[in-house]
Amino acid sequence: DVKVTQSSRYLVKRTGEKVFLECVQDMDHENMFWYRQDPGLGLRLIYFSYDVKMKEKGDIPEGYSVSREKKERFSLILESASTNQTSMYLCASYTGQAAGYTFGSGTRLTVV
Amino acid sequence: GENVEQHPSTLSVQEGDSAVIKCTYSDSASNYFPWYKQELGKRPQLIIDIRSNVGEKKDQRIAVTLNKTAKHFSLHITETQPEDSAVYFCAASRTSGTYKYIFGTGTRLKVLA
Repeated sequence: DVKVTQSSRYLVKRTGEKVFLECVQDMDHENMFWYRQDPGLGLRLIYFSYDVKMKEKGDIPEGYSVSREKKERFSLILESASTNQTSMYLCASYTGQAAGYTFGSGTRLTVV
Repeated sequence: GENVEQHPSTLSVQEGDSAVIKCTYSDSASNYFPWYKQELGKRPQLIIDIRSNVGEKKDQRIAVTLNKTAKHFSLHITETQPEDSAVYFCAASRTSGTYKYIFGTGTRLKVLA
């Protein structure tokens, strides 16, 4: 089975801090995605990557950046955390036509 | 931009009844439509999908229908059980390029015993 691992399940950070959310997949997949999940808003795409060092903005990239230095790791960076970035963050890896996305278990980030 | 609308946002049904969740997409080039189920505290899991070359697909108690002309697709769950209680997300995508999924806003289904 494909494993998509997010390093932290819960995080509490202060306003203005730089925050790193890590996502690692173990199957050499090219396409990886970061979504945030908020009640009533569903899953909104922040950024995605289709290869090492390749990235594209999603629907809500403001206040975020990403890094993909190695194929297996896709990091989401909050440059200066704000309270409106308090959310559940889900990483996904595209595993192919048969299985679609495999999601990580999510990181619930609280910015205080 | 690309958009997927999903209705209803919440749905309560009696155990054994059917449940229907509807989605509408805006990108006419979308040709792949997956449905994900997210149980409380867990990650979303793919439960069924449909491609644009078919109008209906069934897997035991769940089925999905697609109307490409109207850009509508729907999830049907028959003989609902308490374990069907979850949040369901529809999505639309193209099966080439970036494989970016645009998700709907989710439907919280409650099956009442």
